[in-house]
Amino acid sequence: NAGVMQNPRHLVRRRGQEARLRCSPMKGHSHVYWYRQLPEEGLKFMVYLQKENIIDESGMPKERFSAEFPKEGPSILRIQQVVRGDSAAYFCASSPNRGSGANVLTFGAGSRLTVL
Amino acid sequence: GESVGLHLPTLSVQEGDNSIINCAYSNSASDYFIWYKQESGKGPQFIIDIRSNMDKRQGQRVTVLLNKTVKHLSLQIAATQPGDSAVYFCAEISYGNNRLAFGKGNQVVVIP
Repeated sequence: NAGVMQNPRHLVRRRGQEARLRCSPMKGHSHVYWYRQLPEEGLKFMVYLQKENIIDESGMPKERFSAEFPKEGPSILRIQQVVRGDSAAYFCASSPNRGSGANVLTFGAGSRLTVL
Repeated sequence: GESVGLHLPTLSVQEGDNSIINCAYSNSASDYFIWYKQESGKGPQFIIDIRSNMDKRQGQRVTVLLNKTVKHLSLQIAATQPGDSAVYFCAEISYGNNRLAFGKGNQVVVIP
């Protein structure tokens, strides 16, 4: 059981480029969550997805950010035209089903984006 | 609104002593709470959880206390070890909500 796999672990982009972050959930998990962490801060919710569906994207900026979780393959968080303020650690978590108390999120090791 | 902290609250503790980490949560509707441990360069790792119908729960070397009256959560680590050095986050969620809300974090430094 490989756990939640994220790649790349580190990504460097210049302003204006695109960043794509990938997340493969734990085996048997069909729910994926993306969180962003700025230095020395807690994690901030961005988006919650199930296979082929975005369930809650209320924490995601309206512009430049998008997420998907296709039927086959990993979930992808895409940031277009990156700016320096996008520099952060992006964590993916997965769970077998939704709802509080029923399960605990398992987090990946994160993808650290640096925008030059 | 939330303030942005440049420095995490830090608890320095001698190896073998007990540690207590505190957390004030904001949402009185939250009914499930989790403590996570995050080591440098890694993702958050589940430590222990507690539901709102409990006020205490014990795990291996860890105890979580919940005081709903003052919306306060604490994590006690017994016989702290060097491997306990990390940032500890409390997180809260309410039933039917999708988002786990994290607190700001507390840095624990264990002195050998």
